[in-house]
Amino acid sequence: AQSVSQHNHHVILSEAASLELGCNYSYGGTVNLFWYVQYPGQHLQLLLKYFSGDPLVKGIKGFEAEFIKSKFSFNLRKPSVQWSDTAEYFCAIQTGNQFYFGTGTSLTVIP
Amino acid sequence: DAGVTQSPTHLIKTRGQQVTLRCSPISGHKSVSWYQQVLGQGPQFIFQYYEKEERGRGNFPDRFSARQFPNYSSELNVNALLLGDSALYLCASSFYLSGGTETQYFGPGTRLLVL
Repeated sequence: AQSVSQHNHHVILSEAASLELGCNYSYGGTVNLFWYVQYPGQHLQLLLKYFSGDPLVKGIKGFEAEFIKSKFSFNLRKPSVQWSDTAEYFCAIQTGNQFYFGTGTSLTVIP
Repeated sequence: DAGVTQSPTHLIKTRGQQVTLRCSPISGHKSVSWYQQVLGQGPQFIFQYYEKEERGRGNFPDRFSARQFPNYSSELNVNALLLGDSALYLCASSFYLSGGTETQYFGPGTRLLVL
């Protein structure tokens, strides 16, 4: 069965540090890839998405992600995090009419 | 513009009861999906409906059912509630495009507690 793995369950960084959150999936066919963010007390919001084309995609708030097909990965990056980036981050894939989410990574940014 | 709306926001039920959750999609969106999010986990896909037809179904028992109305709003029904059904139920709407390149927008969820 398809699955999405987020290996970092909880990440703590200081402001201005660089961020990379891992996301790997298991599915051999065509996938659409997403990163969602859930800020404290808010609902899930789309950060960025990949359907096709340039494997390096840029999203909102300075986030970007790179799709590496050979590694089945879609890691999320940000060069310099801010306290306001404290949130839960979810990686998700779409295969046909099915959607799969990872278990999430909780990011805490210390001022 | 109004986003995805869900009602009620919170609900408490007892084991064996039935519950109906409601979702209104973003104007112009014809596809609605339902997810269950247990505390500490990511959302688990339950159903997707498009133009009132079921397009996708996750690995949930038949106690879970849904439907979509002509105005594209949707209801999720859960029968014979179990303690393990306690979760946040999320609705997401999307403007479905051919080839499956859709972006889902999530509502705030309905938090269900089964006692």
